[in-house]
Amino acid sequence: AQSVTQLGSHVSVSEGALVLLRCNYSSSVPPYLFWYVQYPNQGLQLLLKYTTGATLVKGINGFEAEFKKSETSFHLTKPSAHMSDAAEYFCAVSESGYQKVTFGTGTKLQVIP
Amino acid sequence: NAGVTQTPKFQVLKTGQSMTLQCAQDMNHEYMSWYRQDPGMGLRLIHYSVGAGITDQGEVPNGYNVSRSTTEDFPLRLLSAAPSQTSVYFCASSYRERDGQFFGPGTRLTVL
Repeated sequence: AQSVTQLGSHVSVSEGALVLLRCNYSSSVPPYLFWYVQYPNQGLQLLLKYTTGATLVKGINGFEAEFKKSETSFHLTKPSAHMSDAAEYFCAVSESGYQKVTFGTGTKLQVIP
Repeated sequence: NAGVTQTPKFQVLKTGQSMTLQCAQDMNHEYMSWYRQDPGMGLRLIHYSVGAGITDQGEVPNGYNVSRSTTEDFPLRLLSAAPSQTSVYFCASSYRERDGQFFGPGTRLTVL
């Protein structure tokens, strides 16, 4: 069965500092991995995804994530935080060939001016 | 394209009442899903569909029914509302499982 663990329900960074949001997954088959962002009172928006191929994936708003099979991780990073990055971020996994998607419990990012 | 639309945005029910949350998408996506979002629990899958006429249960299906008579619409029915169903409900769709999902704006449901 697939599962997702996001370390840290709340993360605070200073404006301009590195953003690192952690995600570990378990899957019995090669996974599809996703990061979504949710702004207050809105639905989720896809940030980036990994399916096959290059393990470093670039997404919108300057975010990127690296798929590390040996560590079963898919951490999200951004070199320099902006105030507009304050939101909740969700990691999700789907086993290839299987429509069910499992979400992590989310990480709220606070950006301090 | 309107994307994924959900109605209503807000709803208050009394225990035992029934209602239908509407979801529609205009992107010709085969895959559609319903999730509930509760604080500290992320999103949990209620039901999903891989095409018209095909539905299956997710992680928390009890108390909910779905049907998929057309590609565009995927309504979620609460049969007899309970306070434990107080939540924010999201509908999502995707073309293929590997594409990531488009989410609607959500319905905030309160059951008294």
